[in-house]
Amino acid sequence: AQTVTQSQPEMSVQEAETVTLSCTYDTSESNYYLFWYKQPPSRQMILVIRQEAYKQQNATENRFSVNFQKAAKSFSLKISDSQLGDTAMYFCAFIARNNDMRFGAGTRLTVKP
Amino acid sequence: DVKVTQSSRYLVKRTGEKVFLECVQDMDHENMFWYRQDPGLGLRLIYFSYDVKMKEKGDIPEGYSVSREKKERFSLILESASTNQTSMYLCASSPGSPRGTEAFFGQGTRLTVV
Repeated sequence: AQTVTQSQPEMSVQEAETVTLSCTYDTSESNYYLFWYKQPPSRQMILVIRQEAYKQQNATENRFSVNFQKAAKSFSLKISDSQLGDTAMYFCAFIARNNDMRFGAGTRLTVKP
Repeated sequence: DVKVTQSSRYLVKRTGEKVFLECVQDMDHENMFWYRQDPGLGLRLIYFSYDVKMKEKGDIPEGYSVSREKKERFSLILESASTNQTSMYLCASSPGSPRGTEAFFGQGTRLTVV
């Protein structure tokens, strides 16, 4: 079975600072995909960033970047220059062979002014 | 823009009722998913479908069934609603290929069973 673990239920960061959200996963597959999704308060879930396991280069999207450590099965999200609009639940997710997506428990991030 | 629409934003049902949650997507996606979201537990997969009339159980299928008669529509059915099914339900869809493409989500249905 594939599992996704987010060990930080809540985190906070000051505006303009950097924060890192942790995610680990467990799989026996060699080819898979990892995602970070953002769910703002009372709003729809949206994709933040995506990583393909066979690509060694870490994905980046503007202020968002990942640290993908395949051997350690770790996939952390770094948010630079945090903004108030980054306040949200963040979910780590995983797709392997069957195309079904599994999620972690989420991290509630609060950006403080 | 991809649109995934869930029929209700809020729903209140009585214990023992049969409940239908509807989800429609407009991007011709092969894959559709139903998740349940609870605080501290994240999103748990109930069922997913990779084609019309095809379905696979997720991690928590007990007490639920699904129907996919048309490609764009995926229904979640609570055969006999119970209070422990009070939760937020999220529908999502994704293309069948290329594999690993992101999923798009609906706005969620907050179901309360009293």
